Amino acid sequence: QVQLVQSGAEVKKPGSSVKVSCKASGGTFSSYTISWVRQAPGQGLEWMGRIIPILGIANYAQKFQGRVTITADKSTSTAYMELSSLRSEDTAVYYCARGGRGGATAARFDPWGQGTLVTVSS
Amino acid sequence: EIVLTQSPGTLSLSPGERATLSCRASQSVSSSYLAWYQQKPGQAPRLLIYGASSRATGIPDRFSGSGSGTDFTLTISRLEPEDFAVYYCQQYGSSPPVMYTFGQGTKLEIK
Repeated sequence: QVQLVQSGAEVKKPGSSVKVSCKASGGTFSSYTISWVRQAPGQGLEWMGRIIPILGIANYAQKFQGRVTITADKSTSTAYMELSSLRSEDTAVYYCARGGRGGATAARFDPWGQGTLVTVSS
Repeated sequence: EIVLTQSPGTLSLSPGERATLSCRASQSVSSSYLAWYQQKPGQAPRLLIYGASSRATGIPDRFSGSGSGTDFTLTISRLEPEDFAVYYCQQYGSSPPVMYTFGQGTKLEIK
């Protein structure tokens, strides 16, 4: 049973960057994709991007292009999401989630990490 | 970009009743690429339905999904107290650029 465990809560200043980690256990890390989804307080879910660890290829939502970088370390089965130029609107819970590599399996996220609260405040 | 619109925004029902949640897409979506999630307060979303109608592992059979094209439905046949939560539909666009979009959610509350 794959589990995704994320790093702890962060408080950041506007204009700075944050890097959140997501460690997978109990499965084959490289055979899947890892996506990052965020949820602002009281709001819905927003996909930010994903990485295919075995290929090291990342895809990003247009909204976050140039500001987000998703990477993966196959040796530790850990994915990372770095968001730069933080502003107050980036205050949210950030989730990682596993998807399949292609076809219908790529269309769904299961399981999800527990979430990491990132607070951006001066 | 495909937009998913969920209705109603809030649904007030009693345990034992039937819940019907709608997800409408702005363009046709492959059924294989439509999923539903449940989210309870303070928790991560949980996959309920994938491929529009297949239940994820461990999901009770009171949850069912249906639909095709632009109209999809999540039905909960008899509500249990633990089913009161927020539900999201989600679609996957595989054509470059890769894109995942979520509906805005339906809150299912106890009447």
